[in-house]
Amino acid sequence: AQKVTQAQTEISVVEKEDVTLDCVYETRDTTYYLFWYKQPPSGELVFLIRRNSFDEQNEISGRYSWNFQKSTSSFNFTITASQVVDSAVYFCALSEGPGNTPLVFGKGTRLSVIA
Amino acid sequence: DGGITQSPKYLFRKEGQNVTLSCEQNLNHDAMYWYRQDPGQGLRLIYYSQIVNDFQKGDIAEGYSVSREKKESFPLTVTSAQKNPTAFYLCASTRGAVGGRYNEQFFGPGTRLTVL
Repeated sequence: AQKVTQAQTEISVVEKEDVTLDCVYETRDTTYYLFWYKQPPSGELVFLIRRNSFDEQNEISGRYSWNFQKSTSSFNFTITASQVVDSAVYFCALSEGPGNTPLVFGKGTRLSVIA
Repeated sequence: DGGITQSPKYLFRKEGQNVTLSCEQNLNHDAMYWYRQDPGQGLRLIYYSQIVNDFQKGDIAEGYSVSREKKESFPLTVTSAQKNPTAFYLCASTRGAVGGRYNEQFFGPGTRLTVL
């Protein structure tokens, strides 16, 4: 069965600090996809990144970076030099196999960046 | 502009009433989904549809019903059988498997349902 665990319920940091959000997943499939979404106070989920199980290359996009490690079943998300606008709930999600398979979400991590 | 619209943004229901939440997309996406979000919880799947006139139950389908008569529309009805319907409801869609790759889901702005 699929499962996504985000052990950090809430994190508070001071602006300009770096912060890492943890995500651990469980799956029996060899082909799967991992996602990160951001949910600002408005409520709409914003897609951040997709990673497939065959690509363990880390990715950097501006202040965001992602570390995918199959050996530990983790897909962690780091925000460098955090800003107040980064305050949101962040969700990690998993889907097994290609196609239209629904996502399984973690419970989310609420990040508060304090000025 | 392409996107997903949900209406209404806020909905109040009396106990015993059925209500229908609207979800429309003009992205020409094949698959559509309904998720429920409770405070402090992740999103849980209610129903999803991969093609017109076909849909599957998710993890928490009891007390809900859907239809998919048109590609762009996937309304969700919350029936009186749903014991605790107060929640935030999110609709999503995806282009689906293109060239064997998975495509990310795009989400609407959500409907907040409150039972009075």
